[in-house]
Amino acid sequence: DGGITQSPKYLFRKEGQNVTLSCEQNLNHDAMYWYRQDPGQGLRLIYYSQIVNDFQKGDIAEGYSVSREKKESFPLTVTSAQKNPTAFYLCASSLLLAGGNEQFFGPGTRLTVL
Amino acid sequence: GQNIDQPTEMTATEGAIVQINCTYQTSGFNGLFWYQQHAGEAPTFLSYNVLDGLEEKGRFSSFLSRSKGYSYLLLKELQMKDSASYLCAVRTRGGLTGGGNKLTFGTGTQLKVEL
Repeated sequence: DGGITQSPKYLFRKEGQNVTLSCEQNLNHDAMYWYRQDPGQGLRLIYYSQIVNDFQKGDIAEGYSVSREKKESFPLTVTSAQKNPTAFYLCASSLLLAGGNEQFFGPGTRLTVL
Repeated sequence: GQNIDQPTEMTATEGAIVQINCTYQTSGFNGLFWYQQHAGEAPTFLSYNVLDGLEEKGRFSSFLSRSKGYSYLLLKELQMKDSASYLCAVRTRGGLTGGGNKLTFGTGTQLKVEL
């Protein structure tokens, strides 16, 4: 079955540690996105990528980093510079960044920093 | 920037009809999406409108008026499983570096369906 996978579903880390969230898709989508969701707030765009080896900052990129070495994979690293990292992180993909296609979401990773 | 407003919470009765409104202010409008999200899960696509009018999909319908910056999602024959958050998202043309379309989400409307 085609889809987007994120792992792990729940992640706990100590303050000051970097952590990497995995996102893999087998939909052959060009564009991939990372969003953060906090209670009472809409999804906010962290980073996005429309092609391998290229990615751009979204609205709240500070304290995060990404890579896009393969079309299928778009891992997100939450660094110690992120002031409030506890949140629900959602990865998404779509056929074309500039196209009329919907974004498909992964199941999400809930990160808790202790 | 974009501004998207939707009610925070709504309650409705099983079997009834509920309408969830979304108003937006944006430049470069290029479509409006509705997603359903159950607690702790990923949003799932419900509907898409880019032209004015009503789009119907089974128990779900979505309406768009571009001149009024207004959309609604209509849910008929409500079921308990429809209890979820409903996200309105506006796509804007060229909102991303490289000329891509950007999707901006509202805060979501938490719908509770009661017996």
